[in-house]
Amino acid sequence: QKEVEQDPGPLSVPEGAIVSLNCTYSNSAFQYFMWYRQYSRKGPELLMYTYSSGNKEDGRFTAQVDKSSKYISLFIRDSQPSDSATYLCAMSDYTGTASKLTFGTGTRLQVTL
Amino acid sequence: EPEVTQTPSHQVTQMGQEVILRCVPISNHLYFYWYRQILGQKVEFLVSFYNNEISEKSEIFDDQFSVERPDGSNFTLKIRSTKLEDSAMYFCASSRHNRELEFSNTGELFFGEGSRLTVL
Repeated sequence: QKEVEQDPGPLSVPEGAIVSLNCTYSNSAFQYFMWYRQYSRKGPELLMYTYSSGNKEDGRFTAQVDKSSKYISLFIRDSQPSDSATYLCAMSDYTGTASKLTFGTGTRLQVTL
Repeated sequence: EPEVTQTPSHQVTQMGQEVILRCVPISNHLYFYWYRQILGQKVEFLVSFYNNEISEKSEIFDDQFSVERPDGSNFTLKIRSTKLEDSAMYFCASSRHNRELEFSNTGELFFGEGSRLTVL
């Protein structure tokens, strides 16, 4: 079983739709959960960062973590064509003085006009 | 807004040649990383660096790889003898140091735009 599983998509939605992106994980030691957005041939850009179970909202984005189910989600409200990108979930167990991230494979999202 | 910068953006090299990829992390960050992404695959951790030494490295980071912080601003990744399978996008990242918890790291990594390495 992979440490982090993420549906690669592609996911195509019309402008204005609500998008739900998900990841599951197997490592109970993961404590920090992040969502990155990656445009083609660019570096990952941090969108959301959460530590505890529950919801965290930032504008049109909501990150949800359910540690008991080892399941995290990113919701995008009122999706825009500019949201078209690959969304990567990433997790860290943080041990020691520096963390390393374990990424999902990324879900490619296309928002159409 | 401060950002992580990487050079070169693209390097083409012959198999067996040495390559050095350069990064300038965000100035007040103290943790530095290299990740790589082979085309079509996920982003993978290579190495983390703190206080002038390697904190952690993955299985990928074998003896052919090394990292260095030669001065106060640059952070480099050297591949001694490149192989075809080293062809990938290499991302440098940095993160803040949380002064309230001396040895903690929040995990908020900020990535550069990447250096594409093509080994022929």
